[in-house]
Amino acid sequence: GESVGLHLPTLSVQEGDNSIINCAYSNSASDYFIWYKQESGKGPQFIIDIRSNMDKRQGQRVTVLLNKTVKHLSLQIAATQPGDSAVYFCAERRRDKVIFGPGTSLSVIP
Amino acid sequence: NAGVTQTPKFQVLKTGQSMTLQCAQDMNHEYMSWYRQDPGMGLRLIHYSVGAGITDQGEVPNGYNVSRSTTEDFPLRLLSAAPSQTSVYFCASRQTDSLYNSPLHFGNGTRLTVT
Repeated sequence: GESVGLHLPTLSVQEGDNSIINCAYSNSASDYFIWYKQESGKGPQFIIDIRSNMDKRQGQRVTVLLNKTVKHLSLQIAATQPGDSAVYFCAERRRDKVIFGPGTSLSVIP
Repeated sequence: NAGVTQTPKFQVLKTGQSMTLQCAQDMNHEYMSWYRQDPGMGLRLIHYSVGAGITDQGEVPNGYNVSRSTTEDFPLRLLSAAPSQTSVYFCASRQTDSLYNSPLHFGNGTRLTVT
C-alpha cells in the first residue's frame, strides 16, 4: 500500500516479483535523469541514468523509462530480491543542479 | 580510492554555535555539492561548486556558507546553528568533463542535531 504526508510512499512486493517505482519530475528543461538507491545509514548510490533524448534504458535487472510528454520517470526492477529493500530516489539535472524527488521506500517480502 | 569522505559522522550542537562539516573527495571531480535530508522530504540542494574558486546557491542556502579553495575539499559552515538545521547532511561529487553519464557520488553523511 501507499502512505503520504511526512512518511515516504511505500511499495511492498513479494520476492521474485517485478517492482515498478514511479516518479514525476517538474521541469521540462531537465536533460538528464538518474535513479539512486539509499540503504539505511548510507548515502545514495547510483543505479541507472537516462538522457532526455532517450525513452528507455536497461541495466542489469533494472530498466528506466522516460515519458517526456507527461514528465514521468519509472524504475523497473526485475525479480526483486531482499537486498533491493531500500529507499529509491529519482533525480533530474537542470544545468548544474541535481534536484531529487521525495523518494519511495521499497519493502521486499521474503 | 576512498571516494567521498565526510567528517564528523555525528555532531550535536547548541543553538547559536558554529561548526564546519568537512567533505573531501579523491576522484579529481570538479563538481561538488551539499544536500540535506529530512524525513519525507528527500534530498535538498544547499550549495554547489563547479570548480575551485566557484560556488553557487542551491534550493535551501540560507544559514549555510561554503568555500572551494581546492578541488578536493568543499566544507560547509553553519555560522549560528538553529534547531531547523537538525538534519542529515550529504556531500556529493561528480565529473564535469562529460555532459552526460556523470552521476553524483555520495559520502555517508553527517547526522547533525541542534538543541
